[in-house]
Amino acid sequence: KAGVTQTPRYLIKTRGQQVTLSCSPISGHRSVSWYQQTPGQGLQFLFEYFSETQRNKGNFPGRFSGRQFSNSRSEMNVSTLELGDSALYLCASSLAGGTGGRETQYFGPGTRLLVL
Amino acid sequence: KQEVTQIPAALSVPEGENLVLNCSFTDSAIYNLQWFRQDPGKGLTSLLLIQSSQREQTSGRLNASLDKSSGRSTLYIAASQPGDSATYLCAVQTGANNLFFGTGTRLTVIP
Repeated sequence: KAGVTQTPRYLIKTRGQQVTLSCSPISGHRSVSWYQQTPGQGLQFLFEYFSETQRNKGNFPGRFSGRQFSNSRSEMNVSTLELGDSALYLCASSLAGGTGGRETQYFGPGTRLLVL
Repeated sequence: KQEVTQIPAALSVPEGENLVLNCSFTDSAIYNLQWFRQDPGKGLTSLLLIQSSQREQTSGRLNASLDKSSGRSTLYIAASQPGDSATYLCAVQTGANNLFFGTGTRLTVIP
């Protein structure tokens, strides 16, 4: 079974631009979560989608948004990029997520975004 | 607000040694605790998941324990190998797939 894939793997943008990152979950997985990883703040939860609905959201400004399609693929968008948005963006998928606590999340390789 | 701390931040051991990584969290209302490994520039690989009702999980040379009441978990690695060199992250799930991560322990196993 193919793992979680993320595109593009690397991206360079300038301040003020916007960017869209894509994540394809493992086949059959319906929950997709997004995380930002920086040297200073570590790994932080952005949001989680299940069945095209945002179910949970972290503490990030409204410039960060996402969506999920009917095939469970997900995109995240960052508008008006700032230097501090430079990070590794990771997505993770699981079967259904939820609060049962039994499911492992499977992570993709990440998209490394550099904002100049 | 949930906070997850990992000690030590970095660890260097000779090959063959047994070692323990520590993780502590401030809010015991968790659904599970997971240990991940991250190789430089790569994504995360899940190692072990301990549900909140469980005390420990084992996989090969790895054993993780959970004491929810005291907010602590340990990851024990037996007979370490150079291939174990990576950053180890613990994370607690507090909502629908909402993981709070620690800052990680960077492990180097010296041949």
